[in-house]
Amino acid sequence: NAGVTQTPKFQVLKTGQSMTLQCAQDMNHNSMYWYRQDPGMGLRLIYYSASEGTTDKGEVPNGYNVSRLNKREFSLRLESAAPSQTSVYFCASRRLAGGGEQFFGPGTRLTVL
Amino acid sequence: AQTVTQSQPEMSVQEAETVTLSCTYDTSESDYYLFWYKQPPSRQMILVIRQEAYKQQNATENRFSVNFQKAAKSFSLKISDSQLGDAAMYFCAYRGPNTGNQFYFGTGTSLTVIP
Repeated sequence: NAGVTQTPKFQVLKTGQSMTLQCAQDMNHNSMYWYRQDPGMGLRLIYYSASEGTTDKGEVPNGYNVSRLNKREFSLRLESAAPSQTSVYFCASRRLAGGGEQFFGPGTRLTVL
Repeated sequence: AQTVTQSQPEMSVQEAETVTLSCTYDTSESDYYLFWYKQPPSRQMILVIRQEAYKQQNATENRFSVNFQKAAKSFSLKISDSQLGDAAMYFCAYRGPNTGNQFYFGTGTSLTVIP
């Protein structure tokens, strides 16, 4: 049981390049999330998917797109990277039972030059 | 949108002592969930404790406990017998029934444990 996995762990891009961050969970959770973490700003929600086939914008969606490929996988795409997108990106999934807490992946550190 | 405020950017505590981290939130909902997450230098986000708003009893997990004051919209985390491994960033988070699946996080408190 790997929980939530993310690839890659580190990435350096040049301005204007594109890339996709991959996320997968093996806990059979319906909801999945993408956050970015910047110093002094906590975690900010980019997009989330309440269930397979649905996606919704969060607080900071501009410059990003997402795909909920199936129940397990939720990818985040940067079409044309900008230096302002330099950040640490976290994927999370949420269980319905109990308090419905989120489980997080290990994060991806992205630098855009 | 709901807001979550952590007014202490940094805190420190002597090993074996007790420390309390503060969190306040703004909401008009009556039923919701509150969480404390720990983020050590490894960057991994780890759930420390959660509290359901409809429960009056404060949640406890070993050395971690909360002081939940619903009327004051306050949710503080108390760490007893602090250990070196408690050094981390701590985030308070809110999830309400009417906010769909969204969680709202505070900006975090960096805790240093002094040997």
